[in-house]
Amino acid sequence: KQEVTQIPAALSVPEGENLVLNCSFTDSAIYNLQWFRQDPGKGLTSLLLIQSSQREQTSGRLNASLDKSSGRSTLYIAASQPGDSATYLCAVDLYNFNKFYFGSGTKLNVKP
Amino acid sequence: DADVTQTPRNRITKTGKRIMLECSQTKGHDRMYWYRQDPGLGLRLIYYSFDVKDINKGEISDGYSVSRQAQAKFSLSLESAIPNQTALYFCATSDRGQGVGELFFGEGSRLTVL
Repeated sequence: KQEVTQIPAALSVPEGENLVLNCSFTDSAIYNLQWFRQDPGKGLTSLLLIQSSQREQTSGRLNASLDKSSGRSTLYIAASQPGDSATYLCAVDLYNFNKFYFGSGTKLNVKP
Repeated sequence: DADVTQTPRNRITKTGKRIMLECSQTKGHDRMYWYRQDPGLGLRLIYYSFDVKDINKGEISDGYSVSRQAQAKFSLSLESAIPNQTALYFCATSDRGQGVGELFFGEGSRLTVL
């Protein structure tokens, strides 16, 4: 079974800081890895998807990297803003099963 | 309109009642999922379906059943609801087999069992 871990569980930073969220997984036979944002009581919004053959993806101030050999992905947020405050989840799709396994998320608070 | 629609969005019920959560999608994806989210536990897979005739149990299927009425519709039922099934439930679709395998979510159904 795929285990997905996200560290830290919570993070509080002042506005303007660059920050890194971590996601680790135990089975490297993945199809893709996806990062989501979730606001309180709301659904999940897809931020970035990295396919198995890729090393990173970028969208605006967000950059996600993937290292399958070490079972790790990072989400880099540049110049954080209060509007970035949310919970960030990573999900891993195993190659042979198409079942997505989720980490428990990192709750980010960006202080004005 | 949302591509993945869940109804109802909120439901309060009593122990022992039968509840159905419905999901419909306009994305044309074959693959659909039901997840449950509890505080601090992330999302856990209840059931998933790769087409109308292919339905599979996830990691926490006990106490739940599903029906895939059509490619676009996937319903989750709680035959006899209990309080520890109080949670936020999400339906999702995947375009794997047709695209890069991206997962798309509905807005969620908040269920409270008293």
